[in-house]
Amino acid sequence: DVKVTQSSRYLVKRTGEKVFLECVQDMDHENMFWYRQDPGLGLRLIYFSYDVKMKEKGDIPEGYSVSREKKERFSLILESASTNQTSMYLCASSLRSGGVQETQYFGPGTRLLVL
Amino acid sequence: AQKITQTQPGMFVQEKEAVTLDCTYDTSDPSYGLFWYKQPSSGEMIFLIYQGSYDQQNATEGRYSLNFQKARKSANLVISASQLGDSAMYFCARAGYSTLTFGKGTMLLVSP
Repeated sequence: DVKVTQSSRYLVKRTGEKVFLECVQDMDHENMFWYRQDPGLGLRLIYFSYDVKMKEKGDIPEGYSVSREKKERFSLILESASTNQTSMYLCASSLRSGGVQETQYFGPGTRLLVL
Repeated sequence: AQKITQTQPGMFVQEKEAVTLDCTYDTSDPSYGLFWYKQPSSGEMIFLIYQGSYDQQNATEGRYSLNFQKARKSANLVISASQLGDSAMYFCARAGYSTLTFGKGTMLLVSP
């Protein structure tokens, strides 16, 4: 079974803090993704990575950065958290790049509250 | 932007009945994939079923089947014999080169 884990289920931070969300997958997948989910908006892609040290912007990268130093780990960084970044953050991974048939497997999500 | 549209914000169904969740999509790509995911209240997204644009047959996985109408650009999810545990949000997604574009979801509530 594919296992995608996220470092926290719930997180509360203050405005202006630097926030790290960690994601680890154990299936040697090439691709990893970060989404945020907000009511009525569905899932929106923030960043994705198709290889170590590679990253691509998604639909809403502003205010976020990412790091992928090892294949199994993909970190989402909020450099200076703001209240409009309060959301559910979902990490996902898929086996390889390219192709339209690659299933993405998701972690349990992190609910972030920024006060 | 190539959109995914789920027109039903919520659906109610009685246990053991079948239910259809609608999904339509935009695309100009000849090759694409369509996915359905389930998200229970716990938050995790669970993969349910996949349909490729060139697949001749509609996909099926247990109680889930996909009613794929390529000309209409629709990919409706059919759940047969609903169970209480099917109560969840359901998302349709279209695959591009490496990424997925999601619809806004449909909340399904199954009553006894």
